[in-house]
Amino acid sequence: DAKTTQPNSMESNEEEPVHLPCNHSTISGTDYIHWYRQLPSQGPEYVIHGLTSNVNNRMASLAIAEDRKSSTLILHRATLRDAAVYYCILRDVAGNTGKLIFGQGTTLQVKP
Amino acid sequence: ETGVTQSPTHLIKTRGQQVTLRCSSQSGHNTVSWYQQALGQGPQFIFQYYREEENGRGNFPPRFSGLQFPNYSSELNVNALELDDSALYLCASSEGIGANVLTFGAGSRLTVL
Repeated sequence: DAKTTQPNSMESNEEEPVHLPCNHSTISGTDYIHWYRQLPSQGPEYVIHGLTSNVNNRMASLAIAEDRKSSTLILHRATLRDAAVYYCILRDVAGNTGKLIFGQGTTLQVKP
Repeated sequence: ETGVTQSPTHLIKTRGQQVTLRCSSQSGHNTVSWYQQALGQGPQFIFQYYREEENGRGNFPPRFSGLQFPNYSSELNVNALELDDSALYLCASSEGIGANVLTFGAGSRLTVL
């Protein structure tokens, strides 16, 4: 299974944009890039996913490098509620199971 | 719509005992996956159930087993508990085995003494 590399932790100020990087140099052509986040005392929560093109939804934006070896999750205006562990996950669309391979993730701290 | 609910939220067992954890999937979801999350680690995939059959399994021994019922709810059973089984057990449901979005419950915190 292809793996991802993320910084252990990042800090942001409230109401400022946050860019969370993820490296996935061994990504295959059928791997989707998924992001989940886990708030304290909760289960992971789906954020966004994409294959090749940049994606936007109400929670965040996903910017995918042209060679797909890296991606960036963008929170446009961080709030205190965005403090969480963010996981970047590669999921093989051909795998046909619910298997998500979580790494250590990035712990995001948001300062007021 | 209701989300994924898990029970119990917390429980304490001793080594060698058996435990059953329960999960009700989100309305409209027919697939359930189970994950184990040790303290400070990311969740690890245990297995997935679809149409009441196991469909995919992670690197967990056979003493971890599961069931899925006709209403798509699910159970995780762990026999012969070991200290290392202490963890947060997460259930996730989805619309089909290849769905892009998994909806997770808040988990069941198991402590093995």
